[in-house]
Amino acid sequence: DSGVTQTPKHLITATGQRVTLRCSPRSGDLSVYWYQQSLDQGLQFLIQYYNGEERAKGNILERFSAQQFPDLHSELNLSSLELGDSALYFCASSVDEVVTGNEQFFGPGTRLTVL
Amino acid sequence: GQNIDQPTEMTATEGAIVQINCTYQTSGFNGLFWYQQHAGEAPTFLSYNVLDGLEEKGRFSSFLSRSKGYSYLLLKELQMKDSASYLCSLRDSGYSTLTFGKGTMLLVSP
Repeated sequence: DSGVTQTPKHLITATGQRVTLRCSPRSGDLSVYWYQQSLDQGLQFLIQYYNGEERAKGNILERFSAQQFPDLHSELNLSSLELGDSALYFCASSVDEVVTGNEQFFGPGTRLTVL
Repeated sequence: GQNIDQPTEMTATEGAIVQINCTYQTSGFNGLFWYQQHAGEAPTFLSYNVLDGLEEKGRFSSFLSRSKGYSYLLLKELQMKDSASYLCSLRDSGYSTLTFGKGTMLLVSP
């Protein structure tokens, strides 16, 4: 158990819909990262938040958005869903200090199926 | 940008040693990380290298050569539970974001 929690574990929805994925980082971690993993693309970085502020953006579509709240939990919002958005979505957290290895700890993921 | 290459699949026998290679092209990075991922589960951290050389952690070791754009993960005394995907990743030099390779699926047979 990494200490990172994600809800829900599974989500099935239809094209055109909007969903929200939730992540709670490990206690004390200020950085939250979102990743998408599909069979053909591998693990792709979407976006990072640090202590409530957006820090880095990766291959995140305009239909997707995220935020980090004062209690440090984060939500990833996916809208106008398409079949191709079906994937595993992981959240990870880290302390975000250079002095350590600063490894990222991953949550169990949310499996999104768009029908 | 960053480009990371790993073999797609490897097979090995229980008790053996296996080396998983990773080559990369990048304009700069601040650490190379190896993660293990079992099917449908979260990636788990194995090791990281910042400087050239070998880092050892129990049955796992990782090596980095910055001048050659090359790293490897060495797994000793293979066990059946080591059957998993192994992901090589680079940490961005500006932030702490990771770029992952597509992973090497290792199958350990009896």
